Amino acid sequence: EIVLTQSPATLSLSPGDRATLSCRASQSVRIFLTWYQHKPGQSPRLLIYDASNRATGIPARFSGGGSGTDFTLTISSLEPEDFAVYYCLQRSEWPWTFGQGTKVEIK
Amino acid sequence: EVQLLESGGGLVQPGGSLRLSCAASGFTFSNYAMTWVRQAPGKGLEWVSAINNGGGSAYYADSVKGRFTISRDNSKNILYLQMNNLRAEDTALYYCAKDVIAVAAQFDSWGQGTLVTVSS
Repeated sequence: EIVLTQSPATLSLSPGDRATLSCRASQSVRIFLTWYQHKPGQSPRLLIYDASNRATGIPARFSGGGSGTDFTLTISSLEPEDFAVYYCLQRSEWPWTFGQGTKVEIK
Repeated sequence: EVQLLESGGGLVQPGGSLRLSCAASGFTFSNYAMTWVRQAPGKGLEWVSAINNGGGSAYYADSVKGRFTISRDNSKNILYLQMNNLRAEDTALYYCAKDVIAVAAQFDSWGQGTLVTVSS
């Protein structure tokens, strides 16, 4: 199965900072990578699909990029509500797999 | 408004079985692929299983293949996950999620989850 490795495990930043999260695949997933945000006690939220497409209602400060094996999720200026855990998910091959997550915490 | 309500979780002994349900409303259930995702305590998200809109195609994580079966009843708007031969490592909060029309890993609506605990 395809292994997704997210880095860093934890990102300590302040509101207004730029956040750059990485997701690396063990083999090419083409553009078939999705990003989710997950806050404690809530259900996950779809952010980005097919590497770079923002889902409905997602603010423009969230952007995704990459293809093949290397992907990034960028939050241009962190809002207080953006502190959460972020997961990437590949749908290039079965079984689908999630990365282990990156926690964005308040510095 | 899309609503997904999971049920059927609980405490079960290792080797036991459980059937989870996910009641859907607020959208045309039969038009959409569905999926199950779980989160073990203190761990990350794990994709478990997906099914296409008609129920004819099902997909599984390696960790559950041969033990779990996903199915759906489009006449009742319910998604199921039959879990057999449960192990301690299956202990998790199980979410059902609605995909876009195709099986595309774009889960735009999620339930609140149902907790499964496998322990003797």
